[in-house]
Amino acid sequence: DVKVTQSSRYLVKRTGEKVFLECVQDMDHENMFWYRQDPGLGLRLIYFSYDVKMKEKGDIPEGYSVSREKKERFSLILESASTNQTSMYLCASRGLGSQETQYFGPGTRLLVL
Amino acid sequence: KQEVTQIPAALSVPEGENLVLNCSFTDSAIYNLQWFRQDPGKGLTSLLLIQSSQREQTSGRLNASLDKSSGRSTLYIAASQPGDSATYLCAVPDSNDYKLSFGAGTTVTVRA
Repeated sequence: DVKVTQSSRYLVKRTGEKVFLECVQDMDHENMFWYRQDPGLGLRLIYFSYDVKMKEKGDIPEGYSVSREKKERFSLILESASTNQTSMYLCASRGLGSQETQYFGPGTRLLVL
Repeated sequence: KQEVTQIPAALSVPEGENLVLNCSFTDSAIYNLQWFRQDPGKGLTSLLLIQSSQREQTSGRLNASLDKSSGRSTLYIAASQPGDSATYLCAVPDSNDYKLSFGAGTTVTVRA
């Protein structure tokens, strides 16, 4: 079974803190993604990576950065957390090819006070 | 930019009734279409992936159809059960096949 794990289920941080969200997949997938999900706005792509050290901006990259030093690990970084970054963060991974399914982690619910 | 719409936004049915969930997309040049399930506060679980060359895909009580030319997909869930209560989302990849565009989802409640 494909497994995508996220480092925390719940996080509470203060405004201005630097926040790291970690995601690990065990299926040797090339592609990894970070989304945020908010009521009424649905799922929005923040960043994705199609290979180690490669990244591309998604639809809402402002205030975020990412790191992919190893194939199995994709980190999302909030450089200076703000209250409008309170959200559910979902990581996903996918192999190459149009027949491949995208697999999601359990999510991290982040509250920024 | 691909726009994905799901109607209805919410649905409540008695147990045993068949469910019909609709998904429409604006750009018919898609590689595939995926249906996901999301339970409250959880991540997404992939249910079915239909390739662009297929017209339907089945898994147990679930059947998904795809009509690329009209930009529509339908997810059928037969003989619904309370455990089917969840939000169902459809998603299509963009032209470079990396990014998924998601619909807003249909929230289903199956009453016992």
